[in-house]
Amino acid sequence: EVQLVQSGAEVKKPGESLKISCKGSGYTFSTFWIAWVRQMPGKGLEWMGIIYPGDSDTRYSPSFQGQVTISADKSISTAYLQWSSLKASDTAMYYCARWDAAMGYWGQGTLVTVSS
Amino acid sequence: SYVLTQPPSVSVAPGQTARITCGGNSIGSTNVHWYQQKPGQAPVLVVYDDSGRPSGIPERFSGSNSGNTATLTISRVEAGDEADYYCQVWDSSSNHPGVFGGGTKLTVL
Repeated sequence: EVQLVQSGAEVKKPGESLKISCKGSGYTFSTFWIAWVRQMPGKGLEWMGIIYPGDSDTRYSPSFQGQVTISADKSISTAYLQWSSLKASDTAMYYCARWDAAMGYWGQGTLVTVSS
Repeated sequence: SYVLTQPPSVSVAPGQTARITCGGNSIGSTNVHWYQQKPGQAPVLVVYDDSGRPSGIPERFSGSNSGNTATLTISRVEAGDEADYYCQVWDSSSNHPGVFGGGTKLTVL
């Protein structure tokens, strides 16, 4: 059974760094793209970027380029989304999803709250 | 970048047919996917590649795509279909291929 399990909720202060994770199981992790999707409170889905764990080829949406870093460690079947300096506006639910022409498998989401 | 336009809301009575549109320039020339999201839950793929239906999705869900409009059709709507629906495409002409529509809230009256 394909599963994507994300790390738990985080509460951070502005300016702090953060790295959240998405662990895949039930399939060959390195051969499917992993996408990250943001959902701000009460808002729609936003595509952040995508990574191919096999060679770490990464594409970012212009809105998120330079704001976050997407990475992956295929040896432990895990993708990551990280911030070097969080802002209050980063408060959102973040989802990872497996891309194989569409996003058929999603993680449960990681809620990130940034507040002073 | 590519823009997808959805109506903010659609309302339908139980047992009727709901149609949710997704507009985009020449969207008919690309594959469109649709996701359902209920409150507090992760999105679920309900239609892929314009009209494909993933395993476990009822036949009541169907899709079409032509010209500048893609459409998600939900037949014999049930109360449990009330949710937000998002269209999504892969913009192969761009270096950032993922694009979502703004989402449509389906209300079952």
